[in-house]
Amino acid sequence: KNQVEQSPQSLIILEGKNCTLQCNYTVSPFSNLRWYKQDTGRGPVSLTIMTFSENTKSNGRYTATLDADTKQSSLHITASQLSDSASYICVVSLDSNYQLIWGAGTKLIIKP
Amino acid sequence: NAGVTQTPKFRILKIGQSMTLQCTQDMNHNYMYWYRQDPGMGLKLIYYSVGAGITDKGEVPNGYNVSRSTTEDFPLRLELAAPSQTSVYFCASSYPRGQGAHEQYFGPGTRLTVT
Repeated sequence: KNQVEQSPQSLIILEGKNCTLQCNYTVSPFSNLRWYKQDTGRGPVSLTIMTFSENTKSNGRYTATLDADTKQSSLHITASQLSDSASYICVVSLDSNYQLIWGAGTKLIIKP
Repeated sequence: NAGVTQTPKFRILKIGQSMTLQCTQDMNHNYMYWYRQDPGMGLKLIYYSVGAGITDKGEVPNGYNVSRSTTEDFPLRLELAAPSQTSVYFCASSYPRGQGAHEQYFGPGTRLTVT
């Protein structure tokens, strides 16, 4: 069964600290992996998209990594800011590219 | 550009009522999608469209209908609302970027409660 699992479910860190969010997937056939940020009460916003041939991609303070062999991805946030408080969702795309398997997300809270 | 807009933002329906959730995008994207998001769960695809006049079922289509008469609009119809349809509904549109990956852009969502 195609699944995307994220850990931890929730995380609280202090402003300025770094953190890493994890994503494991069992999706086949795999096309690409995305990370989205979803603020409370808003729609998801794309952070990164990686194909199976890419093992790292950055977007400002966000760096995503992908290990297609172990089917794991991580999202590293550097020097966290209060505005980083949100849910971060890992999404894996099947070959069709518009059929996506969504994780349940990690809820990140940044405390001042 | 307004991007993807959805109306209404909130709605309460009684069991058995019907309604249409509106979605419009001004980015000239061919692909459009409807998702639902339940608490603690990943988004589930309800219906999608690859262009005007073409729609197809996603993972959870039962109880819903869609139409796509123009590139811009993709309304979602709920017939005979049931409590199980209480959810947050997101509309999205996309275009193909590098290596065929589709960048999806989301609307702000409609929070629907059926009682």
